[in-house]
Amino acid sequence: DTGVSQDPRHKITKRGQNVTFRCDPISEHNRLYWYRQTLGQGPEFLTYFQNEAQLEKSRLLSDRFSAERPKGSFSTLEIQRTEQGDSAMYLCASSSLSDPTDTQYFGPGTRLTVL
Amino acid sequence: AQKVTQAQTEISVVEKEDVTLDCVYETRDTTYYLFWYKQPPSGELVFLIRRNSFDEQNEISGRYSWNFQKSTSSFNFTITASQVVDSAVYFCALSERIGGFKTIFGAGTRLFVKA
Repeated sequence: DTGVSQDPRHKITKRGQNVTFRCDPISEHNRLYWYRQTLGQGPEFLTYFQNEAQLEKSRLLSDRFSAERPKGSFSTLEIQRTEQGDSAMYLCASSSLSDPTDTQYFGPGTRLTVL
Repeated sequence: AQKVTQAQTEISVVEKEDVTLDCVYETRDTTYYLFWYKQPPSGELVFLIRRNSFDEQNEISGRYSWNFQKSTSSFNFTITASQVVDSAVYFCALSERIGGFKTIFGAGTRLFVKA
């Protein structure tokens, strides 16, 4: 069990550019979550996948954000036309469908800075 | 509405002191789960403990213990004999069955343990 991994760990981009982040969940975890965390705040839910199906999206996820999990394994989060307000830590978590508590295990995060 | 409140923004203690972190939650669901996570300076959220809404038995796990009281909607977390390595931000989180598996986090309590 290698844990949840995220790539890249840090991303600096200019306003208006597109960025894509990748998350590899714990193997055999069916559920995968994306969160956004800004300084001094707790993680805020963005979206959630069960296998390859995206089952829920937050209102925080504007149309510039898109997430995919095409084969039910790794997931990508893309932000188009980045804005300075998108600067945050983007966290990925995974959990097992067989766990009724839905305990989520988090990756190290991708810190995005938009200049 | 689903809400988690951590009224303590920062706590500072001296090593070996006991420290309790407070958490108050709001939920419309009868089945829910409560969690505590630790976020050290490295940034990765680490799962610590969980409790389901049907089990109010308080437990001790090593230096960690928790006090879950449904009557006051509180889920407090205590670290006994604190150590410098306990310095981190601690998040309380709530997961309801209603509305899917979205987990709501509090704003966090930053704990400083001084040697």
